[in-house]
Amino acid sequence: QKEVEQNSGPLSVPEGAIASLNCTYSDRGSQSFFWYRQYSGKSPELIMSIYSNGDKEDGRFTAQLNKASQYVSLLIRDSQPSDSATYLCAVNYGDMRFGAGTRLTVKP
Amino acid sequence: NAGVTQTPKFQVLKTGQSMTLQCAQDMNHNSMYWYRQDPGMGLRLIYYSASEGTTDKGEVPNGYNVSRLNKREFSLRLESAAPSQTSVYFCASSFGDLLDTQYFGPGTRLTVL
Repeated sequence: QKEVEQNSGPLSVPEGAIASLNCTYSDRGSQSFFWYRQYSGKSPELIMSIYSNGDKEDGRFTAQLNKASQYVSLLIRDSQPSDSATYLCAVNYGDMRFGAGTRLTVKP
Repeated sequence: NAGVTQTPKFQVLKTGQSMTLQCAQDMNHNSMYWYRQDPGMGLRLIYYSASEGTTDKGEVPNGYNVSRLNKREFSLRLESAAPSQTSVYFCASSFGDLLDTQYFGPGTRLTVL
């Protein structure tokens, strides 16, 4: 089974805090992983991709990949109200499989 | 540079009617995709096209057909719409294959009564 699991939330954090979003996947052979952000009523937009174990940082966003434990996470530092959205984890199993998403709310 | 465009934005059909969703990209991408997004289920791949003239089934292809008209355009056809096909449909494209970053269009919200 090609599964991608995310906690649906909602996850609520205060402005300025760190938001931590997690995703687990079922196939150890997966090689590429993506985080997309989707505002309500809009299309998904790519935040980050990660292919190797460890951390990858881009501005306030850090993606973390642990292939042995089959999870990938996204940390958002200094969260802003504009970060309020649904975050989709995607895993490439030969075709792209998406999780159902975690809804994040950042409260001012 | 419009990116990925989709028409129409909204559509209401009656059960049994047919329609075609249109998608075009101006990024010179090789691969194009059709997804549906249902509440609580995330995005699911319907069909994809790795290059002009080729199409392949994704996770949920039943009830749909596709045409890769040229490098820019990829259409999705519902021959006999069913209420279970009520969903938001997204087209996406990528320069490379399925491993590559995908860029999404604005979506089509389809309701089948």
